[in-house]
Amino acid sequence: AQKITQTQPGMFVQEKEAVTLDCTYDTSDQSYGLFWYKQPSSGEMIFLIYQGSYDEQNATEGRYSLNFQKARKSANLVISASQLGDSAMYFCAMREKSGGGADGLTFGKGTHLIIQP
Amino acid sequence: NAGVTQTPKFRILKIGQSMTLQCAQDMNHNYMYWYRQDPGMGLKLIYYSVGAGITDKGEVPNGYNVSRSTTEDFPLRLELAAPSQTSVYFCASSYSGSVSYEQYFGPGTRLTVT
Repeated sequence: AQKITQTQPGMFVQEKEAVTLDCTYDTSDQSYGLFWYKQPSSGEMIFLIYQGSYDEQNATEGRYSLNFQKARKSANLVISASQLGDSAMYFCAMREKSGGGADGLTFGKGTHLIIQP
Repeated sequence: NAGVTQTPKFRILKIGQSMTLQCAQDMNHNYMYWYRQDPGMGLKLIYYSVGAGITDKGEVPNGYNVSRSTTEDFPLRLELAAPSQTSVYFCASSYSGSVSYEQYFGPGTRLTVT
């Protein structure tokens, strides 16, 4: 079974609209972390936001927020007021406790977001 | 700080050749990682290291070797390159003292094996 599932291969959104990128995860650990990374066409991986499994509040970073629903094992990324520069691939990733954080991240296959003017 | 640096940026190898991808970080991070990203896919973990002298296999280690003689450097060795190793390779580092273990990524090395 996939550990990270991103069900939207591609999305088109009008500029200034809010957009939600879906991510579901599978783990038996009680302690884990969820990340979102942005990969523009230039190829670098840019960290956006982090949510720990014990965090009671949803994480927010500027225009990015993470809608964390633990019982549903869902960690959706919400981008408010989208901009043309938000066009990129977006990856959801998970760190599980089993390796004490050292084992590396497990990534989903990504969502290609295109913002239209 | 330069962060995580990788060399080379691009490389074309012939089948059966060998090469080393270099990775260095200047943030004094104890954890380092190598990932590969195949076209249209997410990243997959090849090897990781929790400190100098300590390395372990990730999800896709076959065909690769690593070493970590210093905190700063974590080279990835490809022996007997195969077309299946055509990919973009990312090195990353993180600090075990941080809450999130956020990983900082290098710019990547695009490798083609023909």
